[in-house]
Amino acid sequence: GAVVSQHPSWVICKSGTSVKIECRSLDFQATTMFWYRQFPKQSLMLMATSNEGSKATYEQGVEKDKFLINHASLTLSTLTVTSAHPEDSSFYICSARVLAENIQYFGAGTRLSVL
Amino acid sequence: RKEVEQDPGPFNVPEGATVAFNCTYSNSASQSFFWYRQDCRKEPKLLMSVYSSGNEDGRFTAQLNRASQYISLLIRDSKLSDSATYLCVVTKSGGSYIPTFGRGTSLIVHP
Repeated sequence: GAVVSQHPSWVICKSGTSVKIECRSLDFQATTMFWYRQFPKQSLMLMATSNEGSKATYEQGVEKDKFLINHASLTLSTLTVTSAHPEDSSFYICSARVLAENIQYFGAGTRLSVL
Repeated sequence: RKEVEQDPGPFNVPEGATVAFNCTYSNSASQSFFWYRQDCRKEPKLLMSVYSSGNEDGRFTAQLNRASQYISLLIRDSKLSDSATYLCVVTKSGGSYIPTFGRGTSLIVHP
C-alpha cells in the first residue's frame, strides 16, 4: 500500500511550548490529508481536513488557532499544536487519501506528552 | 445516534474460534466502507474494503447490508496474532470524502 510518513513519533515538551508534527505522502500526491487525535481506549476523532493550497476544514469543537494546519505542497501537511498544555497530551495521527483507490493510509502517529 | 456504532467488546475467544463483528451506520447515503485493524499504541492499518457483493481475504470475510445499514467482519480460525482492535470506517457520499470511524471492537484471542 501507499506510504505515509509522520514525524516525530514521540514528543515530550513543557507546557506552553509549540509542537510541529509533519505528515508526508512518500510515493503519491495527496490533495487531502486528515488529522486525528486519539485518547487512550477511545476512538479516533477527526480534528481537521487539510487541503493543499487552501485553508483546513476543522471539525466542531476543534480550535483552529490552537491547532494550526498547513498543507503547502501535495506531499506535506503539518499540524502545529500551539501553546501546548497537559490536556493536549494524546496520540495524533495523520492520514492521506489515495484518490484512485478511495482508501486512506495512516502515518505511524505522534505521541505527544505535555508536562 | 452515533454515525458509526460498534460493540466495543472485548470479544475474548480461544484460538481456532470463529468470531464476527457488526458495525451499523446511520447515514443511508454512505458511500464506501472499510475495516481497519489497530494494534495497541499503533496507527490503524487497512484490513479490507467492504463491497455490496461481499469479499473474502483468507480467513477474513466482510459483508455489507445496505438495507439494514450494517457491515460485518467474520474471522475464521482465529490466531493469537488477530488480537487487536477492529475499526469500522464509513465515508460520506459526495466529493468531500470525510471518513467516520467507529470506536472499534477489541478482540482478544487466547491459547
